[in-house]
Amino acid sequence: DAGITQSPRHKVTETGTPVTLRCHQTENHRYMYWYRQDPGHGLRLIHYSYGVKDTDKGEVSDGYSVSRSKTEDFLLTLESATSSQTSVYFCAISVTAYGYTFGSGTRLTVV
Amino acid sequence: GENVEQHPSTLSVQEGDSAVIKCTYSDSASNYFPWYKQELGKGPQLIIDIRSNVGEKKDQRIAVTLNKTAKHFSLHITETQPEDSAVYFCAASIDTNAGKSTFGDGTTLTVKP
Repeated sequence: DAGITQSPRHKVTETGTPVTLRCHQTENHRYMYWYRQDPGHGLRLIHYSYGVKDTDKGEVSDGYSVSRSKTEDFLLTLESATSSQTSVYFCAISVTAYGYTFGSGTRLTVV
Repeated sequence: GENVEQHPSTLSVQEGDSAVIKCTYSDSASNYFPWYKQELGKGPQLIIDIRSNVGEKKDQRIAVTLNKTAKHFSLHITETQPEDSAVYFCAASIDTNAGKSTFGDGTTLTVKP
């Protein structure tokens, strides 16, 4: 999607290892979000940011942390990956808190 | 917190027919209701949205209606085409709450030629 990129696109990692996913935007949008998508659960909010160094928890934040040191980057870290964190992770951005632009997603497999 | 329920989970229609997807929400403070379309292997894409001060909004073949009293909103697609086949998500949010959206579980729409 234009203006927002996620990396990596795919990752396989072992249980217990730390993992960091990156979301980068070129739109200078204030709001950034991390969601996970699982079959039967739609999209669930993990963490979000409303400015540089301003972050807060979503509904499924346990086991995840985030950082936003620059407007354009929002990092999601799995402190110690577990099999239950196997999912597709989407980053989203919003300029006005109305409507999101989503990235292409990161498919994470924890083995 | 907010809870959004979406029905049906799957919907199959013939090309040219109409499709309707319905969502209900629980938090009466929600005032912004977007709809997203997700194609295979891609991120969701915003296709239409409605705010609580509006009852209906149309954009070509797509329309959304909102009933605040009953706390439900619907997506209507007319003259469906095979390229409308995708997963559709509804969402609800409060505009003063950093835009955090709660999503429904999605509807897989298949349009048969």
